[in-house]
Amino acid sequence: AQSVSQHNHHVILSEAASLELGCNYSYGGTVNLFWYVQYPGQHLQLLLKYFSGDPLVKGIKGFEAEFIKSKFSFNLRKPSVQWSDTAEYFCAVNGMDSSYKLIFGSGTRLLVRP
Amino acid sequence: EAGVAQSPRYKIIEKRQSVAFWCNPISGHATLYWYQQILGQGPKLLIQFQNNGVVDDSQLPKDRFSAERLKGVDSTLKIQPAKLEDSAVYLCASRTGADYGYTFGSGTRLTVV
Repeated sequence: AQSVSQHNHHVILSEAASLELGCNYSYGGTVNLFWYVQYPGQHLQLLLKYFSGDPLVKGIKGFEAEFIKSKFSFNLRKPSVQWSDTAEYFCAVNGMDSSYKLIFGSGTRLLVRP
Repeated sequence: EAGVAQSPRYKIIEKRQSVAFWCNPISGHATLYWYQQILGQGPKLLIQFQNNGVVDDSQLPKDRFSAERLKGVDSTLKIQPAKLEDSAVYLCASRTGADYGYTFGSGTRLTVV
């Protein structure tokens, strides 16, 4: 069964610092990869997704992620974080069947200090 | 476009009591999911409906959890009897079409004491 690992559980940064959140998945076949964000008190929102093609994916709010197949990784990056990026970030991979279900990582809580 | 509606937002119950959560998906979304998000973990799929039929309930603890989606629209998730380890946020999501266009609700936070 697939699994997703997010090794950074808590990250604290100052504004304008660069961000990289790690995500590794276990499935060796064709994968669809996602990053979701959950702002305090809000619902999960899609930041970006990778299905195929260019392994560097750009999402909303200046986020991007790079798919590295050889490393089974899909790390999230942002060159300069803002206080408003304080949230929990979840990496997810598709299930192996055709149900479009998502397998989520355990999440990374990001705190950006002004 | 209205989002996925869930109620209640919060619920506190004692162990062995029963509880029900309600979800109203986005109009026209055929697929509905219930996810359980325990503190410190990512969401875990409990059950998936396609219209009013169950597609996947392999992770649903069927001895205490049940779910239905009457008429292929609203859905209810029930826990009876609740255990302490059921304390979590229960997320409902809906999706349309053959893609990963999920819309999540804000969730119901359940605390079992």
